Amino acid sequence: QVHLVESGGGVVQTGRSLRLSCAASGFAFTGYAMHWVRQAPGKGLEWVAVISYDGGNKYYADSVKGRFTISRDNSKNTVYLQMNSLRPGDTAVYYCARDVILTGYFEYWGQGTLVTVSS
Amino acid sequence: SYDLTQPLSVSVALGQTANLTCGGNNIGIKKVHWYQQKPGQAPVVVIYRDTNRPSGIPERFSGSTSGNTATLTISRTQAGDEADYYCHVWDNSAVFGGGTKLTVL
Repeated sequence: QVHLVESGGGVVQTGRSLRLSCAASGFAFTGYAMHWVRQAPGKGLEWVAVISYDGGNKYYADSVKGRFTISRDNSKNTVYLQMNSLRPGDTAVYYCARDVILTGYFEYWGQGTLVTVSS
Repeated sequence: SYDLTQPLSVSVALGQTANLTCGGNNIGIKKVHWYQQKPGQAPVVVIYRDTNRPSGIPERFSGSTSGNTATLTISRTQAGDEADYYCHVWDNSAVFGGGTKLTVL
């Protein structure tokens, strides 16, 4: 059974950093691309970033490029999102999601972790 | 940037058919995916690559695309189908529609 568990969210001040983690279990982690998708309170879904199965390819939304970094540790079955220079507009629930390829669809989602950036 | 347009809300009578649309330029040549999100829960894929239904999703859910419109059809709607529904495609990046709130009357 596929299981994705995000952690690391919390309240942080504008300009500070935060690192999110997503622990995966129940499947062969090294065979899948992983995404981060966020949802601001009361708003729709926004894709954030994707990393290939081996970490060799990474892509970002324009809104986070240069500030966020996605990475993975396949020995720990975990994907990370390092978020720097946070802004109030980054306030959202952050979900990790599994994909077969870099540009497929989001097969499985975690339950999300809330990041609140205060000004 | 590529835009996807969804109606903010759709209402359907219990047991009737709901058609949720997603408009985009030549969306028919892209692969469209649909997600259902209930309050306080993570999204769940209900249709992938235009017409495919994941295991565990009822046959009442179906998808189609043509020209500039993709449609998620929910037949014999149930109270439990009330949710927000998002369409999704890839352009230069992943693009989501703004979401449609489905109300079952």
